[in-house]
Amino acid sequence: AQTVTQSQPEMSVQEAETVTLSCTYDTSESNYYLFWYKQPPSRQMILVIRQEAYKQQNATENRFSVNFQKAAKSFSLKISDSQLGDTAMYFCAFLSHYGGSQGNLIFGKGTKLSVKP
Amino acid sequence: DTGVSQNPRHKITKRGQNVTFRCDPISEHNRLYWYRQTLGQGPEFLTYFQNEAQLEKSRLLSDRFSAERPKGSFSTLEIQRTEQGDSAMYLCASSFSSGGMDEQFFGPGTRLTVL
Repeated sequence: AQTVTQSQPEMSVQEAETVTLSCTYDTSESNYYLFWYKQPPSRQMILVIRQEAYKQQNATENRFSVNFQKAAKSFSLKISDSQLGDTAMYFCAFLSHYGGSQGNLIFGKGTKLSVKP
Repeated sequence: DTGVSQNPRHKITKRGQNVTFRCDPISEHNRLYWYRQTLGQGPEFLTYFQNEAQLEKSRLLSDRFSAERPKGSFSTLEIQRTEQGDSAMYLCASSFSSGGMDEQFFGPGTRLTVL
């Protein structure tokens, strides 16, 4: 069974600085997808960035980028130029693509990020 | 279309009562998912539908839980004989399955408190 581990329960960063959130996962599959979701306080979860395992190039979305290390099963999120609105819970998630079918996301326990002015 | 909606947003009930939650997905989405999130944890998968067919159920979904998606549109999740351990946020998500990487769009959730 796949598992997702986020080893940093809480992190803080000063506004405008850069922060990296860690995520490791365990799977025996070769084809899968990885995601980072953001859940602001009392608001719904939204997708921040996604990565397809068969693509070696790291995904980038504006201030958000990932460091995907497939052999190490590591998928970290880097937030550059942190903004107050980045304060949220961040969840790393795994999605299997076994046999071409897809089902549920498997989430880590989350990292609570606080951006300080 | 304003996204995935869930009702009610909050539900307080007494142990032993039945509760039902509703999820309205994004209109063109053919897949609908239910997750449960307890305090300090990430969401855990409960079940999902493709159109009206329930394709997968987690072992977390005991026989007190039932989900339906009539006509492949909205979905309901019913919990019978609620227990205090059922207190959680129940999240619904939807996606359009095109054979590639589905992006799941989440609703705001229904927070259940069982007294």
